[in-house]
Amino acid sequence: QVTLKESGPALVKPTQTLTLTCIFSGVSLSTTGMRVTWVRQPPGKALEWLARIDWDDDKFYSTSLKTRLTISKDTSKNQVVLTMTNMDPVDTATYYCARIGSITTAFDIWGQGTMVTVSS
Amino acid sequence: SYVLTQPPSVSVAPGQTARITCGGNNIESRNVHWYQQKPGQAPVLVVYDDSDRPSGIPERFSGSNSGNTATLTISRVEAGDEADYYCQVWDSSGDVVFGGGTKLTVL
Repeated sequence: QVTLKESGPALVKPTQTLTLTCIFSGVSLSTTGMRVTWVRQPPGKALEWLARIDWDDDKFYSTSLKTRLTISKDTSKNQVVLTMTNMDPVDTATYYCARIGSITTAFDIWGQGTMVTVSS
Repeated sequence: SYVLTQPPSVSVAPGQTARITCGGNNIESRNVHWYQQKPGQAPVLVVYDDSDRPSGIPERFSGSNSGNTATLTISRVEAGDEADYYCQVWDSSGDVVFGGGTKLTVL
């Protein structure tokens, strides 16, 4: 059974850098075809895609946020890390990591999400 | 950038059929995925690649995609189907696009 769990600070101050970690179990990040993505959701609003990393270390970013995002993986720890710089109150959201399916481009398994509030 | 348009809300009585639309330019040329999200929970994939269902999703959930509109159909709606539903595609630039979401209310 594949599971994902996000972790990170619940509160960050404006201008700080946010670092989130997604820990996998039940599958290795080095498995061919393994792709992981991050999505966020401000309170009461829609889902917004952030970034993706593939088993071969290819990386893709949201066009609107790419200057602020960095995605990386640590295969030995089976985790994916997302950093977002220059945080602003509008970045307050629940941040989810998800697996992209092996036979589809859909996000087939999601973590529970972690809520991040940006406030001074 | 590519835009997906969903109605903000859809209401249906129990036992009836709910249809949630997702509009986009020539959306039929793209694979559309649908997610269900209940309050306080993470999204769950209910339909992928226009009309396929993941394991464990009831047959009551189905999807179609034609022209400029993709549709999620929920037959024999139950109270437990009340949730927000989002459509999603990948656009030509490699970005992922979500619709604005539709709140399904079971009357």
